[in-house]
Amino acid sequence: QKEVEQDPGPLSVPEGAIVSLNCTYSNSAFQYFMWYRQYSRKGPELLMYTYSSGNKEDGRFTAQVDKSSKYISLFIRDSQPSDSATYLCAMKPNQAGTALIFGKGTTLSVSS
Amino acid sequence: DGGITQSPKYLFRKEGQNVTLSCEQNLNHDAMYWYRQDPGQGLRLIYYSQIVNDFQKGDIAEGYSVSREKKESFPLTVTSAQKNPTAFYLCASSKGQIEAFFGQGTRLTVV
Repeated sequence: QKEVEQDPGPLSVPEGAIVSLNCTYSNSAFQYFMWYRQYSRKGPELLMYTYSSGNKEDGRFTAQVDKSSKYISLFIRDSQPSDSATYLCAMKPNQAGTALIFGKGTTLSVSS
Repeated sequence: DGGITQSPKYLFRKEGQNVTLSCEQNLNHDAMYWYRQDPGQGLRLIYYSQIVNDFQKGDIAEGYSVSREKKESFPLTVTSAQKNPTAFYLCASSKGQIEAFFGQGTRLTVV
């Protein structure tokens, strides 16, 4: 079992839809959970991060972490064509000297 | 403006040739990282460095080498021992536990 699992999609939705992106993980030591957005042929940009469990909201984006289920989610409300990108989840333990472990990314397409 | 600069954007390598990818940051971040991205594979860690003159191997270090002589710079050399180097290479930096910044990547192709 890989440490981080993410469905690669592709996921296609109409403009205005609510999008749910998810990752599961196996390492219970993970404490930092991030979501990155990557446009084609560009470097990833950090969207949101969460420490330990709970929810975090930023505009149209909500990140959720359920450590009991080892499951994290990113919700996008009122999706826009400009949200079309690959979304990568990443996580790491609360331990100095460690690097992020990434999921494979989910490709999202929002049509107008 | 602060950020991470990777160069070149596109790089072509002949069989048996070593090539070096540049990564420079002016964010005063302590840690720097190199990832490789292949279609459908996500980001895989090659090397990372927490401080100057120190670095650690990631999951796929074979065929690669790095140096960290300055805080701002973390070049990656793809050696001839790397048999399948065609990929998108990404450099990142962080201060603390969050890897907040990535460069725009270098696309390496073997010709």
